[in-house]
Amino acid sequence: EAQVTQNPRYLITVTGKKLTVTCSQNMNHEYMSWYRQDPGLGLRQIYYSMNVEVTDKGDVPEGYKVSRKEKRNFPLILESPSPNQTSLYFCASSSRTVANGEQYFGPGTRLTVT
Amino acid sequence: DAKTTQPNSMESNEEEPVHLPCNHSTISGTDYIHWYRQLPSQGPEYVIHGLTSNVNNRMASLAIAEDRKSSTLILHRATLRDAAVYYCILRGNAGKSTFGDGTTLTVKP
Repeated sequence: EAQVTQNPRYLITVTGKKLTVTCSQNMNHEYMSWYRQDPGLGLRQIYYSMNVEVTDKGDVPEGYKVSRKEKRNFPLILESPSPNQTSLYFCASSSRTVANGEQYFGPGTRLTVT
Repeated sequence: DAKTTQPNSMESNEEEPVHLPCNHSTISGTDYIHWYRQLPSQGPEYVIHGLTSNVNNRMASLAIAEDRKSSTLILHRATLRDAAVYYCILRGNAGKSTFGDGTTLTVKP
C-alpha cells in the first residue's frame, strides 16, 4: 500500500532535549516536505526536499533541521526543542514534477514540549 | 509567494452540490491550483488539481477561471463524509507550498 509513515505519532518531551521525527515513503517520490499545523494558523511549511541531498527552507524553518540522505526518508530534527514548537507535524511526499504532483500526507505527529 | 483566499466557512445540505471558491490573484503562469481536504484528526488528503482547463475526477470537479485568478471546487452531491476543511493552494516547481486557512465545510443532513 502506498503510504507516508511518521514516527512517533505522539511525543511529549522537555525543553532542550534533542529529538527526531522520522518520515518514510514507499512511493519512490522525489519531493518530500514537512509542515506544522497550529490552531488558527493552518498548515505552514517548515522544510522541503526536491531530491536526495537537496533541501530548502519553507516558511517557518527556525529551530528545525532536516536531512535527505536517502530518497525514501526525510527526518525532522529538533536540536533544542522549545515550548513554541508544540504542534501537530505532517510529512508529505509527491511525485513527478512538484507542481503537477499530488501530495500524499502522513498521519501526523503530535509533539508537546514542556 | 502567491497566496490564496477562501471563505472561512460554508454550509451545505446533504446530497446537494457545493461550490467552494478560491481567489488567487497573484498566481504565476506555472503555478498549479491544488485542492486538499482535512478530516478531523487526519492528515490532508488530495482532492484535485489543475493548471488551466477544468478538471474532473471521482471526488470532485475543478473549475478554473479563464484569467486563472480564481477557481471553484465543486462537490456534485455532498455527503456527511465530505464535512472537512478544504484547502486551496498553489504549487510551483520551486517546491514551496503555501496553505491558507481553508474553508470549513459543514454538511447538514
